[in-house]
Amino acid sequence: EVQLVESGGVVVQPGGSLRLSCAAAGFTFDDYAMHWVRRVPGKGLEWVSLISWDGGNTYYADSVKGRFTISRDDSKNALFLQMNSLRVEDTALYFCAKDKGPVTDGIDHWGQGIQVTVAS
Amino acid sequence: QTVVTQEPSLTVSPGGTVTLTCASSTGAVTSSHFPNWFQQKPGQAPRTLIYSTSNKLSWTPARFSGSFLGDKAALIVSGVQPEDEAEYYCLLHYGGVWVFGGGTQLTV
Repeated sequence: EVQLVESGGVVVQPGGSLRLSCAAAGFTFDDYAMHWVRRVPGKGLEWVSLISWDGGNTYYADSVKGRFTISRDDSKNALFLQMNSLRVEDTALYFCAKDKGPVTDGIDHWGQGIQVTVAS
Repeated sequence: QTVVTQEPSLTVSPGGTVTLTCASSTGAVTSSHFPNWFQQKPGQAPRTLIYSTSNKLSWTPARFSGSFLGDKAALIVSGVQPEDEAEYYCLLHYGGVWVFGGGTQLTV
């Protein structure tokens, strides 16, 4: 059974930094691309970032480009999202998600999400 | 900036059929956009229903299907059940970057 468990969510001040982690289990982690997706309160889902199976390709939404960095540690079956220069509008429930394929084919499994709050 | 558009809300009677659509501001939606469809209920994580236009996951109920309708991607729900009341999101691929639609609130 695929399991994705996010951690690292806290309350942080605007301009601050935060690192989210996602522990993966139940599948061969280094065979698949991985995503981060967020849901802003009162709004819909927003795709944030993608990393390919080998970490060689990364992609970002314009809203986070230059501030967020996605990475992975295949030895630990872990996905990360380094979030810098945080803004109030980054407040959201962040989901880790597994891609259907090694490069990108769409999302098949989701974590339960972790809350990030940016407030002074 | 690419915009993906869905109907904000739809209402259907139990047992009926409803079609949700997903349009791209860049033009016609094609298989190269790998349309994905998700269901999200309050307090729950999203659940994937369809990937790459029409492919189902093992847990996708048979009444859900994906296709194209004109220049849009479509999610068809045939024989709607009360438990299908939820928000539905499409997701399209643009050369590595993905964009969600604004979501459709389906009321049964």
